[in-house]
Amino acid sequence: GAVVSQHPSRVICKSGTSVKIECRSLDFQATTMFWYRQFPKQSLMLMATSNEGSKATYEQGVEKDKFLINHASLTLSTLTVTSAHPEDSSFYICSASIRGNYGYTFGSGTRLTVV
Amino acid sequence: GENVEQHPSTLSVQEGDSAVIKCTYSDSASNYFPWYKQELGKRPQLIIDIRSNVGEKKDQRIAVTLNKTAKHFSLHITETQPEDSAVYFCAAWFSNDYKLSFGAGTTVTVRA
Repeated sequence: GAVVSQHPSRVICKSGTSVKIECRSLDFQATTMFWYRQFPKQSLMLMATSNEGSKATYEQGVEKDKFLINHASLTLSTLTVTSAHPEDSSFYICSASIRGNYGYTFGSGTRLTVV
Repeated sequence: GENVEQHPSTLSVQEGDSAVIKCTYSDSASNYFPWYKQELGKRPQLIIDIRSNVGEKKDQRIAVTLNKTAKHFSLHITETQPEDSAVYFCAAWFSNDYKLSFGAGTTVTVRA
């Protein structure tokens, strides 16, 4: 079945630094990548949607200059958390879909801790 | 956009009993309804899904029902086991956006 690989699984960074998270679709071409953030005991909150080769569409309240999303190819999307602060600590998870197909394939998630 | 409401937020059941989680959605154009199980610190895993042309689907101890007229769908887990303890999310797929909207989640605890 479809597999999405997400790296790193855990990262600890200092406040003010930037962190890049990668998601790769291993055996299919992802038309669309979605990036979610999940705080403890809460639901998945969609941050942005990106289509290959075009700019990401951000959800209301998500700062596009802080959360940089790049979807340069059909198999790779990256999320960069710039100038991270402790409140950015969360579980970030990507998912991929193929246009015309239902549903998602989720990455394994990244636990970000900003100290 | 799509709004999905999920109830209850927490559910505690005795091992062997049934668990039922209910969701409602707002957009009548939604046509695909997956359910995900998420264990602590892990990715959501698809456990069952249903499309809008079907009213019920069953896979061993798990079943999902859909009422398109009322715009609600439910997950039923029978003969619950401790390994069923997890957070369960319902979702609705809005084909115009090619995007899933998730419910808030239900934390299911199965007591041995």
